[in-house]
Amino acid sequence: AQSVTQLGSHVSVSEGALVLLRCNYSSSVPPYLFWYVQYPNQGLQLLLKYTSAATLVKGINGFEAEFKKSETSFHLTKPSAHMSDAAEYFCAVTTNNNAGNMLTFGGGTRLMVKP
Amino acid sequence: GAGVSQSPRYKVAKRGQDVALRCDPISGHVSLFWYQQALGQGPEFLTYFQNEAQLDKSGLPSDRFFAERPEGSVSTLKIQRTQQEDSAVYLCASSLVGGLAGTDTQYFGPGTRLTVL
Repeated sequence: AQSVTQLGSHVSVSEGALVLLRCNYSSSVPPYLFWYVQYPNQGLQLLLKYTSAATLVKGINGFEAEFKKSETSFHLTKPSAHMSDAAEYFCAVTTNNNAGNMLTFGGGTRLMVKP
Repeated sequence: GAGVSQSPRYKVAKRGQDVALRCDPISGHVSLFWYQQALGQGPEFLTYFQNEAQLDKSGLPSDRFFAERPEGSVSTLKIQRTQQEDSAVYLCASSLVGGLAGTDTQYFGPGTRLTVL
């Protein structure tokens, strides 16, 4: 079984400030981890994914995340927030599975960026 | 190149009506997934197809939910006798390969927002 917990359903930062969105996972086997972003009335867009290569993963739009096995975490960061980053962010986990690789999502974190 | 498309984008149904939601995956993608996203929550897995074979339907909430992908491309999610608790956004995703490919990226459509009155 696998699960994801995203701490903080809402995060508010000022434009130009550091963005930190937290994600902790639980998995009995080596996980693959993803961050997706969802803009209003749109589908989910992949930001980045961890696939057991480098533990520091760089994604689109200046985001990055670090896989820390000892902390079972995969937090998402961006050095400087832009107004366009305001959206809902979802962390997700999957594992290799004979029946498929369905994603298990966290509850999401809504990022608000203040001018 | 076209992404995943879904239709209709919005659907309003009266309680008890049947609805059909369509998903057109990216051409050539083997795997297709359906997820249900309730308001303010993360998506939850419903069912998975590898080509035309439905390999996992463990997430379907009741026998009123039925999904098919008869020719291994377009998929339809059908909900019979809709209930108010079925109101949600239904997301479809496709990925290039199937089986042991946990690293494979799933590409999502825009979703169908179903409202049951």
